[in-house]
Amino acid sequence: KNQVEQSPQSLIILEGKNCTLQCNYTVSPFSNLRWYKQDTGRGPVSLTIMTFSENTKSNGRYTATLDADTKQSSLHITASQLSDSASYICVVPNPGTYKYIFGTGTRLKVLA
Amino acid sequence: EAGVAQSPRYKIIEKRQSVAFWCNPISGHATLYWYQQILGQGPKLLIQFQNNGVVDDSQLPKDRFSAERLKGVDSTLKIQPAKLEDSAVYLCASSTLAGGSGETQYFGPGTRLLVL
Repeated sequence: KNQVEQSPQSLIILEGKNCTLQCNYTVSPFSNLRWYKQDTGRGPVSLTIMTFSENTKSNGRYTATLDADTKQSSLHITASQLSDSASYICVVPNPGTYKYIFGTGTRLKVLA
Repeated sequence: EAGVAQSPRYKIIEKRQSVAFWCNPISGHATLYWYQQILGQGPKLLIQFQNNGVVDDSQLPKDRFSAERLKGVDSTLKIQPAKLEDSAVYLCASSTLAGGSGETQYFGPGTRLLVL
């Protein structure tokens, strides 16, 4: 069954610290994986998309990695800020359909 | 570029009442999605339109939910009658092409529904 699982479910860190969020997928064939940030009360916003051939991609303080062999992706946040407090959702296209498979997200809370 | 617009932002109704949500996608986006997001979960696709045609509505509870996109632009999602378990955020998203590709989905702010 095609699935996307994220860990941890929630995370609390102090401002300025780094953190890493994990996404494991069992989708085959794989085409791409996208990380979204969802602020409270808002819709998800795309942070980055990783294709099969990409290992690392950065967007400011956000760095996504992809290991297509182990079917894992991570989102690393450097020097966290209060504004990073949000849910981070991993999304993979469902092969052969027009649908996407959403992970349940990681809720990050950055404390001052 | 204007984003995806949704209204209302919040709605509180009693069970068995009806409610309607409105979405205006980004101009030129052919594909429009309605998602239901229950607290603590990822979005669940309810229905997907390509222009004014339905691509997928397999997870839409058709006994109580209906959606339309008559002119291939704006869309409305209706619930009648509402149940307690319909309490969720209803997200509208749009993209230039059909899903399942590298196309970016742009999400609206959502409508938060509370059914009492």
